[in-house]
Parts: sequence; structure tokens; C-alpha cells
Amino acid sequence: SAVISQKPSRDICQRGTSLTIQCQVDSQVTMMFWYRQQPGQSLTLIATANQGSEATYESGFVIDKFPISRPNLTFSTLTVSNMSPEDSSIYLCSVESGLAGLGSQYFGPGTRLTVL
Amino acid sequence: QKEVEQDPGPLSVPEGAIVSLNCTYSNSAFQYFMWYRQYSRKGPELLMYTYSSGNKEDGRFTAQVDKSSKYISLFIRDSQPSDSATYLCAITTGNQFYFGTGTSLTVIP
Repeated sequence: SAVISQKPSRDICQRGTSLTIQCQVDSQVTMMFWYRQQPGQSLTLIATANQGSEATYESGFVIDKFPISRPNLTFSTLTVSNMSPEDSSIYLCSVESGLAGLGSQYFGPGTRLTVL
Repeated sequence: QKEVEQDPGPLSVPEGAIVSLNCTYSNSAFQYFMWYRQYSRKGPELLMYTYSSGNKEDGRFTAQVDKSSKYISLFIRDSQPSDSATYLCAITTGNQFYFGTGTSLTVIP
């Protein structure tokens, strides 16, 4: 299984500022995913990041608000821009596992963001 | 209608009890079924996966899929306090992933 680390583990930010979350994987992976997890809600996919191409965003998420970088096969960043209290959430990166051809995902520990 | 529905609980059981966690799904095209366990302040970790109807057993855990009813279950035998966590079901076509909201489980010593 992949080992995934995220930085920062948590942060408290002021409204209107931006935060960049880093995700590091211990092996090369093609696809990395960014999720948001809000209390009482299911994991919501923000975008899929492939190395060497633009990230693909899900409905309701836009690049201006959540710019993503994917400079190589082991690293990605998600920026939460112009934050508001509604952005308070846990942000998780994940990678897809090639478990015998099945699709499943491994997750990082998450970044707990609070916006005041 | 949501793709995946999961009872959020919370569920509280005594140590040693058998726990049943369930999800329903709407799309018969879903092929792969997974259960994740998430401890407080941690990311979800893959617990079990299966891609066919029937049962799959791994130690104290059994994953069950009933494709005719679009119903999946996770059974935990001889539950332990260390099983206290949130359990999320996940379903995928191989391209799109859909997660349940998670069921919070507490096993009381």
C-alpha cells in the first residue's frame, strides 16, 4: 500500500487568505485525488490531478478557488483560495491502488482547516 | 437519489458483540465495493474490497454484497474497543468513486 503524508496537518486561517496543502506519496502514482470531508457528509471529490496535465474538477469546484499543482509523480498541492468559513473542512489527498485491477484508494491523514 | 446511502448511526455496542453496518446503492453498474475505516483525526484506510456478490471474510470482518438488492454489508465479529471508528462504504464503477457518509461505531469495554 502507498504511504501518503500531508502538510500541514491542521491550520486556522483568516477569511480572505489562502492555504496550500501538500501531499507526498512514497511511490510514483499516475492519478492523485483531492477530497473534502465535512462533518456528517460523505467524501466529496474536488478534483483529479494527473502529472503533466491540467487537473480535472468536479461539478461545483473551480480552478480559481482550488488551484492544483502536480509537478511530478509523487507530489501534489491543493490551494484553497480566498477562504471563507464555509471552506472549513478536512481536506484529503488520495491515490489509486492497482489492487489486482480493482479500483480502490489510499488516503492521506488529512488537513483539518478552520477558517475564522 | 444519492448513489450511496449509509445510516450515519451512531452505533454503540458492548465488547464482543456482532456489528452489522450497511449501505444501499442505486446504480446496478457499480462493480467494486469497499469498506474503509476512519479513526478520529485520521484519513480513511481501506479495510476490505470485493467485486462480486456473496461474502468475503478477513479475520473478524466479513463483507457481503447482494447485487440483486443493491445492498452491501460489513459484519464485525467479536467486536473490540479498537474497532471504534467511523466506517465508510465506497462503491465504484472503476472510474467514479462514491462514498457513504460513514457510520460511527463505538465498542464499549
